[in-house]
Amino acid sequence: QVQLQESGPGLLKPSETLSLTCTVSGGSISTYYWSWIRQPPGKTLEWIGYIYYIGSTNYNPSLKSRVTISVDRSKNQFSLKLSSVTPADTAVYFCARVGYDTGGWAYYFDSWGQGTLVTVSS
Amino acid sequence: DIQMTQSPSTLSASVGDRVTITCRASQSISNWLAWYQQKPGKAPNLLIYKASSLESGVPSRFSGSGSETEFTLTISSLQPEDFATYFCQHYNSYPFTFGGGTKVEIK
Repeated sequence: QVQLQESGPGLLKPSETLSLTCTVSGGSISTYYWSWIRQPPGKTLEWIGYIYYIGSTNYNPSLKSRVTISVDRSKNQFSLKLSSVTPADTAVYFCARVGYDTGGWAYYFDSWGQGTLVTVSS
Repeated sequence: DIQMTQSPSTLSASVGDRVTITCRASQSISNWLAWYQQKPGKAPNLLIYKASSLESGVPSRFSGSGSETEFTLTISSLQPEDFATYFCQHYNSYPFTFGGGTKVEIK
């Protein structure tokens, strides 16, 4: 069974760049789509974007100007960069795998990392 | 963006109760809807996809129904481990969005 684990700094100052990595184990990163999702404390979830293992991406327009998602197949990892962070970017950040059913790719999320809290504060 | 509205936001119920949560989409999403369960401090767990398909390993007391703009998640007989927050999510078009959540509490 595939497992995902987020890693990266937990505390940032405003204007810095958030950098997180998701390591995939128990399966290959190839073949699937992979996503980042965040959840501010006490709030609902927000989809940030996804990447296909060959490198094609799609981002939430609300974050598109600040987001980059990349993949490193040799390390079975994918990463998130979010630039110019503000306190509004404080959230638990999850990495997740996009689902696939009989009809093809289906953009629900069937495996998740445990999440990592990123706090933005001066 | 498609807005997903869940009701109620909080629900108090007892073990053994039948529980129904509603999710409404601001425009038609066909059946491109998923439901998740989230417990405090944990990641969401997929329960239902394509509105009514049960994810492997999820107990059969969970079921989903609906299409277009109105969907329901039903728990046929609430168990102690089901007290949690439930989210719906559409994947009809970009960006994918989630409902505000329904917290199921012990009555």
